[in-house]
Amino acid sequence: QSVPTQPPSASGTPGQRVTISCSGSSSNIGSNTVNWYQQLPGTAPKLLIYSNNQRPSGVPDRFSGSKSGTSASLAISGLQSEDEADYYCAAWDDSLNGWVFGGGTKLTVL
Amino acid sequence: EVQLVESGGGLVQPGGSLRLSCATSGFTFSSYDMHWVRQAPGKGLEYVSAISSNGGSTYYAKSVKGRFTISRDNSKNTLYLQMGSLRAEDMAVYYCARDDWDHWGQGTLVTVSS
Repeated sequence: QSVPTQPPSASGTPGQRVTISCSGSSSNIGSNTVNWYQQLPGTAPKLLIYSNNQRPSGVPDRFSGSKSGTSASLAISGLQSEDEADYYCAAWDDSLNGWVFGGGTKLTVL
Repeated sequence: EVQLVESGGGLVQPGGSLRLSCATSGFTFSSYDMHWVRQAPGKGLEYVSAISSNGGSTYYAKSVKGRFTISRDNSKNTLYLQMGSLRAEDMAVYYCARDDWDHWGQGTLVTVSS
């Protein structure tokens, strides 16, 4: 099995659209849905997207998720300064019988 | 309001033990599987352990298997993580989370150092 891989960093300017990728394997993303989390500095992770593309109540529709095969993506449109945070993907892994997290992507708003 | 509050973190020597607690309120604790996730300083999230709603099924990451024990007391609405044979690499903030992943505690810091 392959733990999901994310780019370590991403950046964009206010108002821009940014995407963060998450590349997994057949045992995790390829077989199961993907969650995305946002972690602001010094705080606990917050669920941003679940079941590939669903937003919990209160999450702005600027955030969207998608999945294709063994990869997933998080898109943030209309980038704002408060979006500067670490973002993690996660999925259940059938080989491990446990959840796996991507390594995280630090988003900088320039 | 759903609340998860971790406690029990602190400084422990290598080889030592510590028990973390996650006190919950605002929901029917006994209806949910629960998870522990940790984050080493400056690092990403690592899935540690999980327990089914009735405590009958547990999961451990390879890195902690045989050293950590997850348990729960549904009468006290509390989740536990008994950590033993602690190593430097176990130093992290430990978070508990509800199975819907929409509710996390604030985390408790475990420092392993002599």
